[in-house]
Amino acid sequence: QVQVVQSGAEVKKPGASLKVSCKASGYTFPIYYIHWVRQAPGQGLEWMGLINPSGGTTSYAQMFQGRVTMTRDTSTSTVYMELSSLRSEDTAVYYCARDKGPYGDYYFDYWGQGTLVTVSS
Amino acid sequence: QSALTQPASVSGSPGQSITISCTGTISDVGTYNYVSWYQQHPGKAPKLMIYEVTNRPSGVSNRFSASKSGNTASLTISGLQAEDEADYYCSSYTRSSSWVFGGGTKLTVL
Repeated sequence: QVQVVQSGAEVKKPGASLKVSCKASGYTFPIYYIHWVRQAPGQGLEWMGLINPSGGTTSYAQMFQGRVTMTRDTSTSTVYMELSSLRSEDTAVYYCARDKGPYGDYYFDYWGQGTLVTVSS
Repeated sequence: QSALTQPASVSGSPGQSITISCTGTISDVGTYNYVSWYQQHPGKAPKLMIYEVTNRPSGVSNRFSASKSGNTASLTISGLQAEDEADYYCSSYTRSSSWVFGGGTKLTVL
C-alpha cells in the first residue's frame, strides 16, 4: 500500500535552515511528482512547490523562490524540502503530498502525516 | 497568487445538505477544470474528496458532489453526518503553473 512518511518535529532559531524528509513506499517512486504544502497554526493550506522525482526538476511558488530547495534520493525513495533564512512566520506544519496520477497530475491523493516546525528564539 | 475565496464557516443539521463555495479568477478556477476539494479533520492531513471539478476518488461517499460555474466552484454535502464535521479546502491549478488553495471552510454539524 502507498505510504508517505515524514521526518519528525523540529524547533529552529530565526535565520537557521530546515530540512524535512518525505519517504515514499508502495508505488513506483520516480513517476509520481511530490508536492510540499504548509499550514500555519489555525490557518489554511499553502502550496510551496513540487519535485519530479525522476529527473529532479522542481517548480517553486513565487513567494518561496530563493529560499526553498527540493531534492530527491531515488535510491531511498525520499524527497527533501529545505527552507532557509527561517523566520517566525515559517512556523507551520509542513506536508508532502503525492500526485494522484503519474507523470504530472493536478491533485494530491497521498499525504504525509505532517512535520511541525517551530521557529523561535 | 491570492488564495481562493471560501466562506469561513457553514453549518447544518444531520440529514440536511450544505454547499460550500470557492471563488477564484480567470487565472485559475475560471480557466482550468483542475479544481479539487480536500477534507481535513483536526490534527490530521488533508484528504482528497473531489478532483477534476466533479470526480470522487474511490472510497469517497456519493454524498459528496461538486460543480463549477465560471470562476466559482462548489462542494455539496448531502445527508450530513457527524463525521463530516471538518475543515474543507478547495484548490485549483493556475495560469502561473502553480497551485492555489482556498482559505478553508469550517463545517459544523449541529
